[in-house]
Parts: sequence; C-alpha cells; structure tokens
Amino acid sequence: EVLLVESGGGLVKPGGSLRLSCAASGFRFTTYSMNWVRQAPGKGLEWVSSISSSSDYIYYADSVKGRFTISRDSAKNSLFLQMNSLRAEDTAVYYCARSSAGELPSVVDYWGQGTLVTVSS
Amino acid sequence: QSVLTQPPSASGTPGQRVTISCSGSSSNIGSNYVYWYQQLPGAAPKLLIYNNNQRPSGVPDRFSGSKSGTSASLAISGLRSEDEADYYCAAWDGSMSGYVFGTGTKVTVL
Repeated sequence: EVLLVESGGGLVKPGGSLRLSCAASGFRFTTYSMNWVRQAPGKGLEWVSSISSSSDYIYYADSVKGRFTISRDSAKNSLFLQMNSLRAEDTAVYYCARSSAGELPSVVDYWGQGTLVTVSS
Repeated sequence: QSVLTQPPSASGTPGQRVTISCSGSSSNIGSNYVYWYQQLPGAAPKLLIYNNNQRPSGVPDRFSGSKSGTSASLAISGLRSEDEADYYCAAWDGSMSGYVFGTGTKVTVL
C-alpha cells in the first residue's frame, strides 16, 4: 500500500522559514517523481513543485520560485520542501503526492493527508 | 492561480447524470493528458480519471472522462449521495513547466 505521511507544518511568522518532510512507503521511492501541492483554506488546489526520480528535473510554480526548494533523499525514502521568506498567502495545507512514473510529466496518483502551514504574526 | 476553468457548482438527484466541464488552452489540455480528482470533505484528493479517460483500479465505471481540443469533461452517471464532493481537473502545462489545476466544482446530490 502506498503511504505518504507529511510532517513539519505549523505556525510561522511572515518572513520565517519552515521545512516540510514527507515519509514514503509501500513503493520503490527511487523510481517515482514526487510533488508538493497546496490548498489554502476554503480554496482550490495549487501545484507547488515537482522533482523527477533522479532529481535531474525540478520545477516550481512562479508563486514560490526563489523562495522554496524541493529535494529528496532516497536513503530515507523522503521528500522535502524548504520554505523561506514565507508570506501570509503561503498559508495552506501542503500535500505530498506521488507521480506514476520517474519522468515528468506523469499523473499524480497518490496523495498524503497533508500538513497545515499557517503564516501569521 | 487556476489556469483551467470549471463551473463552481453542479447538482443532480440520485440516479441522474451530471457533467462537469474543464476549459484550458493549447499549452495544457490541448497538448497534454487531462486528469480528474475527487476531494471528499476533509479528505485528500483522490485520482478519479487519468490520461483523459482511464479509470484507476477501484474507481466505479459510473465515472467517465473525455477530451476534445482544449476542453475536457467528467461525467458522473447514476449519481449517488457519496459522490458529493469537490472535483478538480488538472493537466501539465508546457508553457509554465508545471501542473495546472481547475478552479474546482462542488457537486451536490439533491
């Protein structure tokens, strides 16, 4: 069974930093691309970032480019999102999600339960 | 910021057929696969349709997808109370080099 468990969310002040983690299990982590997708309270889904299986290809939404960094650790079967210079508009539930193949693009097929990030003074 | 446009709401009585549209452009729907997700209240999204019209294992055949040009649609036939949820379309956008999602459609079973 594919399982994705996010952690690291919480309350942070504007301008602050936070690092999200996603522990993956139930599949061969090294052969799949991974993604972060967020959802602001009461709003729709917004893609944040994607990383290919080999980390050779990394993509960011314009809204986070230069502030967020996606990375993965195959030894730990984990995906990360380093978030710097956080703004109020970054407040959202952040979902870790798997793509169906190592290359991008491929369908995002499994999602974690999400972790809430709140940016407020 | 959503690039794909969906109607904000759709509704039907049990057993009816409901259709949700998704409008995009040549850089996303027009040149890439369309995906559909179902998000039940308080839950994470779940993949419903991939590659325009394919259903993952376990998804009832009441759900079907289609694509034509720069638009796509999701049909739910034999509507059931458990289908009450938000539905999102998505596609890769070659110009943006990233996934784009629809604005979302809330389906209500009357």
